[in-house]
Amino acid sequence: KAGVTQTPRYLIKTRGQQVTLSCSPISGHRSVSWYQQTPGQGLQFLFEYFSETQRNKGNFPGRFSGRQFSNSRSEMNVSTLELGDSALYLCASSPDRASTDTQYFGPGTRLTVL
Amino acid sequence: GIQVEQSPPDLILQEGANSTLRCNFSDSVNNLQWFHQNPWGQLINLFYIPSGTKQNGRLSATTVATERYSLLYISSSQTTDSGVYFCAVEPGFGNEKLTFGTGTRLTIIP
Repeated sequence: KAGVTQTPRYLIKTRGQQVTLSCSPISGHRSVSWYQQTPGQGLQFLFEYFSETQRNKGNFPGRFSGRQFSNSRSEMNVSTLELGDSALYLCASSPDRASTDTQYFGPGTRLTVL
Repeated sequence: GIQVEQSPPDLILQEGANSTLRCNFSDSVNNLQWFHQNPWGQLINLFYIPSGTKQNGRLSATTVATERYSLLYISSSQTTDSGVYFCAVEPGFGNEKLTFGTGTRLTIIP
């Protein structure tokens, strides 16, 4: 099976712009979670989607949003970009929402905000 | 929320040495995973281990859920083992999917 894919891999934006990142989960996986990794804050949970519905949300401002499509692909959007949004954004998929599910991570999208 | 602490923060070893990485967590968890992050940022699953012991080649892991800690053992280290090792837990409460520790940066010197 193909792994989790994320596009684009690298992105450069300027403050105030918005950005959309895409994640395609492993075939058959229905849960998609997003994480932000920065040198200062480490890896932090953004949100989880399952069956096109946001199920869990981390402690991030409303500028961060996402959605999931019927084929389980997910997008996340960040509006009004700030310098502090520069980070590696990682997407993970798992078969279901059970806590026994292992999460598999994609290669990430590295976002730089200038 | 749940706290996840990893130690040591940095570890430098000679090739062939053994190492033990520790993960302490502050509350009960439903899920615990160990990951290796390579230099390109990819997080690679090593173990799903909410309790008990597992082995995979030169790597093994033990989680003692009642005492809220997990250990990752790496034997006969190779330079390809270099990178950052993360422990991540899914709390038994709250909205977080996975809460990550701060990681252990392992450097293996030839």
